Amino acid sequence: LAKTTQPISMDSYEGQEVNITCSHNNIATNDYITWYQQFPSQGPRFIIQGYKTKVTNEVASLFIPADRKSSTLSLPRVSLSDTAVYYCLATSENTGFQKLVFGTGTRLLVSP
Amino acid sequence: SQTIHQWPATLVQPVGSPLSLECTVEGTSNPNLYWYRQAAGRGLQLLFYSVGIGQISSEVPQNLSASRPQDRQFILSSKKLLLSDSGFYLCAWHAGNYGYTFGSGTRLTVV
Repeated sequence: LAKTTQPISMDSYEGQEVNITCSHNNIATNDYITWYQQFPSQGPRFIIQGYKTKVTNEVASLFIPADRKSSTLSLPRVSLSDTAVYYCLATSENTGFQKLVFGTGTRLLVSP
Repeated sequence: SQTIHQWPATLVQPVGSPLSLECTVEGTSNPNLYWYRQAAGRGLQLLFYSVGIGQISSEVPQNLSASRPQDRQFILSSKKLLLSDSGFYLCAWHAGNYGYTFGSGTRLTVV
């Protein structure tokens, strides 16, 4: 699975939109981009997954350009409770066994 | 629905003592199971994974071992804990296209 690169940390204020970028230059044709969110002392939680263009759910939006070498997780109008570490991963379309490699993620701090 | 249980939530153990962390999954059969460790302020390190009963693969040589005695049970063990074994241990199973589902974790402090 392709290696991903994302900023170590980001700061924001309540009510702002936050965009976290992820670089994955060597993403494979069959790989998806998956984002996880981790709060302190909890396991990571799946938040969104996409292959191309735009995906939106109740939590976030994910933008993936046509070349798929990068992606952007967009969190609309963040609140204090969005303070967490966000991980970007390349994941196989295979629904069977796969090893996911979590890097250090992006630590988002939302302030009042 | 599928759920994953992990216990205990916290554990303080002396150096040299044994360790046993248990993880069980409900609502699915033949899951792919994983043990991760997270040191303070660090990313997740894959320790072991299992694709079936008795099948264990180790990612990192260390003081730990894993076993899968039943289809939905995954155990992380150590015979003698080291200070460096301290960390946040997470069990996970692969939930198909929606990725991994993680347990609530065990915070282990070796003193």
